[in-house]
Amino acid sequence: QKEVEQNSGPLSVPEGAIASLNCTYSDRVSQSFFWYRQYSGKSPELIMSIYSNGDKEDGRFTAQLNKASQYVSLLIRDSQPSDSATYLCAVNRVGGATNKLIFGTGTLLAVQP
Amino acid sequence: KAGVTQTPRYLIKTRGQQVTLSCSPISGHRSVSWYQQTPGQGLQFLFEYFSETQRNKGNFPGRFSGRQFSNSRSEMNVSTLELGDSALYLCASSSGTGGAWDEQFFGPGTRLTVL
Repeated sequence: QKEVEQNSGPLSVPEGAIASLNCTYSDRVSQSFFWYRQYSGKSPELIMSIYSNGDKEDGRFTAQLNKASQYVSLLIRDSQPSDSATYLCAVNRVGGATNKLIFGTGTLLAVQP
Repeated sequence: KAGVTQTPRYLIKTRGQQVTLSCSPISGHRSVSWYQQTPGQGLQFLFEYFSETQRNKGNFPGRFSGRQFSNSRSEMNVSTLELGDSALYLCASSSGTGGAWDEQFFGPGTRLTVL
């Protein structure tokens, strides 16, 4: 079992719709969770971080965390063609002061005009 | 605030050679992490440096090494290059003091091609 799992997609949604991206993780002691967006040929860009159970909203983006189910999701409201990219879920395990992100393989989102 | 910078952006090397990549973190950030991204394996953690000390290391062979300078700039070195080392090498900058809650910001990457 992979430590962080994402559906590779592509996830195709029409412009203006809600895109729902999902991620599960295997290590129950994981503490922090991040969503990155990566356009083709570019480096990952941090969109959201979430640390506590529940929802966290930032503009059109909402991250949802459920530690009991080991599940984190990203909702994109009013999807735009410019949102078309690969979305990477990353998890940082507990373990002192170190920074070690474990990434999923990413979900390719395609927003159709 | 300037972002993370990486040099060079592109590199072409042949098998057996060695290569050094450089990363300058965001001003004030003391942690630099390095990742390798390939189509087959995705993003994989190489190592993290904080205050000139390696704090964590991923599962890569000893041919991959790094260091950090007193100004927080970091370099990674790959010796005896293999074809499988062809990848996008990314460095990520963070404050280094937030523990697992640190947000990491990526540089543009160095695209290494080994022929």
